[in-house]
Amino acid sequence: GESVGLHLPTLSVQEGDNSIINCAYSNSASDYFIWYKQESGKGPQFIIDIRSNMDKRQGQRVTVLLNKTVKHLSLQIAATQPGDSAVYFCADGDGNTDKLIFGTGTRLQVFP
Amino acid sequence: DAMVIQNPRYQVTQFGKPVTLSCSQTLNHNVMYWYQQKSSQAPKLLFHYYDKDFNNEADTPDNFQSRRPNTSFCFLDIRSPGLGDAAMYLCATSRDLSGNEKLFFGSGTQLSVL
Repeated sequence: GESVGLHLPTLSVQEGDNSIINCAYSNSASDYFIWYKQESGKGPQFIIDIRSNMDKRQGQRVTVLLNKTVKHLSLQIAATQPGDSAVYFCADGDGNTDKLIFGTGTRLQVFP
Repeated sequence: DAMVIQNPRYQVTQFGKPVTLSCSQTLNHNVMYWYQQKSSQAPKLLFHYYDKDFNNEADTPDNFQSRRPNTSFCFLDIRSPGLGDAAMYLCATSRDLSGNEKLFFGSGTQLSVL
C-alpha cells in the first residue's frame, strides 16, 4: 500500500448498495495482500486476504480482487450495512521483507 | 476469547512523565509488533520482536523502547512523552514475520499527553 498524506478518502454509500474500495500498491514483488477494517477507537480487524497466485477471493459478503498487472487491489462489500461503517486499510508484503506495508485508509460511510 | 490484549484502553500522562503500555497474547505467536497510529492515518510500525530478537524501525525515536520478558507479554515504554506522542498505540502479533502473514491486532491504547 501507499500511505501518503493526511487526507482520508471517503466513500459514502446507501444501505443495501454494494461498496468498492480501491487500493494501489507499489512493490512488484508483493505476493500477499490483506484488508483490515477499523472502527472508531478500536484496533484493525482482519477481513480477508489473498496471495498473488489468485486474482479473486470471496468471503462472507466480501470479495477481494487483485490485478497484478496494474498493481491494484479492491475490496467489494455486498449489500452494505450500517455496521460496515469504518476505515478500511489495505496492506501488502512479500516473503523477503518482515513487515506489511499499509496503504492510506478509506472511510466508508453508510447512510440509510 | 480475546487473543491480543492491550492495557489500558486509555492512558493519560503528563508531558515528560514516563509511561508504559502493555500487551499480552494467547496465540503463542513468535512475533509481536508495536504500531503508532495518529488520527486518520495508517498504522506506523515502531518495532517488533521475533522471539527475543528486537528489531527497531530506522525512524523510530529513541524515546520509544520495548521489552518482551516472555512469549506472551510485550511492553512499550515512552521515556519522556511529548505532545506529539499522543496517539493510538496498537500491539499486533503474527505467527512468523509478516511479509506474508496475517497480523492480529489488539484493541489499542489511546494515549493522551497533557
